[in-house]
Amino acid sequence: GQNIDQPTEMTATEGAIVQINCTYQTSGFNGLFWYQQHAGEAPTFLSYNVLDGLEEKGRFSSFLSRSKGYSYLLLKELQMKDSASYLCAARGGGGNKLTFGTGTQLKVEL
Amino acid sequence: DAGVTQSPTHLIKTRGQQVTLRCSPKSGHDTVSWYQQALGQGPQFIFQYYEEEERQRGNFPDRFSGHQFPNYSSELNVNALLLGDSALYLCASSYGQGVNSPLHFGNGTRLTVT
Repeated sequence: GQNIDQPTEMTATEGAIVQINCTYQTSGFNGLFWYQQHAGEAPTFLSYNVLDGLEEKGRFSSFLSRSKGYSYLLLKELQMKDSASYLCAARGGGGNKLTFGTGTQLKVEL
Repeated sequence: DAGVTQSPTHLIKTRGQQVTLRCSPKSGHDTVSWYQQALGQGPQFIFQYYEEEERQRGNFPDRFSGHQFPNYSSELNVNALLLGDSALYLCASSYGQGVNSPLHFGNGTRLTVT
């Protein structure tokens, strides 16, 4: 089976750092993805981990621990435009089908 | 470089009707996947097309069907529409079915069933 858990909402301050956690249970796991989705728009690819460890891309970093079924997305130097839903998705079960969590709605405040 | 394009952007249908949604993949991509996203939820996998064949299918009834054309574009068809089919339908494309191929999403078609 496939199961993804992430917090529903988070609030952070502009300029701060926020960590969004995700736990997953996915048969045949072969990758963990993070997407950003602004209201009414398409999900935008942020990062992707296959092996354990940290992947850094500018202000965004993502971490994966396969043994723990755990990932997090780290956003640094938060900006107001980072207010969005952040979707954690695990790939598995053959092919490149993604199973998404319900998303974490991040609100960045002044 | 055109990204994933979907049409129409919005659609209103009545229960029992049929609908066809269209998708053109990002340039260089040959695999198309369709997802349904209800309000406040994450996208749910419907099916994936590669080399004009359905390769994987999610937990959706046979009322949902699709097609992929030789130019890699794709259609999603939904028959006998139900109120619960109201959602954002997202098309995503990628290259091949390999591991190192993130999905790129289109802006979606907002379907409302009344």
